[in-house]
Amino acid sequence: DAGVIQSPRHEVTEMGQEVTLRCKPISGHDYLFWYRQTMMRGLELLIYFNNNVPIDDSGMPEDRFSAKMPNASFSTLKIQPSEPRDSAVYFCASSFRQGAGQPQHFGDGTRLSIL
Amino acid sequence: GNSVTQMEGPVTLSEEAFLTINCTYTATGYPSLFWYVQYPGEGLQLLLKATKADDKGSNKGFEATYRKETTSFHLEKGSVQVSDSAVYFCALNDGTDKLIFGTGTRLQVFP
Repeated sequence: DAGVIQSPRHEVTEMGQEVTLRCKPISGHDYLFWYRQTMMRGLELLIYFNNNVPIDDSGMPEDRFSAKMPNASFSTLKIQPSEPRDSAVYFCASSFRQGAGQPQHFGDGTRLSIL
Repeated sequence: GNSVTQMEGPVTLSEEAFLTINCTYTATGYPSLFWYVQYPGEGLQLLLKATKADDKGSNKGFEATYRKETTSFHLEKGSVQVSDSAVYFCALNDGTDKLIFGTGTRLQVFP
């Protein structure tokens, strides 16, 4: 079975540029989560969707960050304009329902470096 | 609020040693508990889970028992291998949509 697919795996760009990260969740999963991982702050939940609708974006650091899920098989996380402090590994995860016992399945992440 | 506390790392062991990584939680009710593993350059993978008190989750030689009385879910393995070197995350779900993760514990196994 195909897992969660993220692209690109690595992105290096200069500050001020727009960055778009992409995620394809596991087919049939109705929840999608975006996380950010850094050494300083660990794993942070940025936003999550249920049935393509954003439910909680309280973890999005500021207005420069936006996320969309136009259909059940695709989501994007966009940073515009990017800053060096946005450098991190960004993970997408999906799950079938939530609640007791349902695990989240993670992609391999996008390692983002803003110069 | 609900939270997960893991022991500080790194944990450094020789191959074939016994492993324990401590995890305790704070939550109302009966959360589900998980251990995830993250190998270098990869995402988090579910290692095992337990959904009710006294359940034992197990996978790949790892085990963890859901202890309601001590609010703990310690990860154990009888004989670690170099290939087990990774970061291990304890997590809980309290019935809401989110997972609450611990800070992770890095395990280093040397031959």
